[in-house]
Amino acid sequence: SQLAEENLWALSVHEGESVTVNCSYKTSITALQWYRQKSGEGPAQLILIRSNEREKRNGRLRATLDTSSQSSSLSITATRCEDTAVYFCATGTQVVGQLTFGRGTRLQVYA
Amino acid sequence: GGIITQTPKFLIGQEGQKLTLKCQQNFNHDTMYWYRQDSGKGLRLIYYSITENDLQKGDLSEGYDASREKKSSFSLTVTSAQKNEMAVFLCASSPEGGNQAPLFGEGTRLSVL
Repeated sequence: SQLAEENLWALSVHEGESVTVNCSYKTSITALQWYRQKSGEGPAQLILIRSNEREKRNGRLRATLDTSSQSSSLSITATRCEDTAVYFCATGTQVVGQLTFGRGTRLQVYA
Repeated sequence: GGIITQTPKFLIGQEGQKLTLKCQQNFNHDTMYWYRQDSGKGLRLIYYSITENDLQKGDLSEGYDASREKKSSFSLTVTSAQKNEMAVFLCASSPEGGNQAPLFGEGTRLSVL
């Protein structure tokens, strides 16, 4: 099974609503990253949260990290149609190249 | 700003063919990666390279070769394309240390007839 995994396959919300995507992981990590991938594009990093941090914000995005439960969440407030994308979490260790991606959660934001 | 350029954007091959995908980055990053993305699955690491002429196998290296000809370029070869194979191949790069968040190209979409 995946070493990093988003908990939901897909979800949909109406524009303006808030939404949270969750991720669980199975290894000791140095950092966790959230990526967004829009159709036809490569993944784009949204937030990097290090293992000694509990929360990180970037505009309408808020990421949390709970190393005791090995879980993370990404919340988006006041969603917009352009937030429609697949959201991935990825975990990293000290070892170069050891970045593990989850399968992704597909978010659809409706007008 | 920098950019990661993958060529070609779309690639249609035939079963058994040897296919080469190219990636260029102008961030002056040390580490480069090739990932494979299949529908409904997470990205899986094929090869990565921490410097020019270096090559490290990822989880999915069987059936592929790679070459880091110079710091800015990293190519991937599918040694024998599999019939009905369909995937997106993503190139990425990151600064020295490799545990920084990699930046991704837009991908090469492969279809094998």
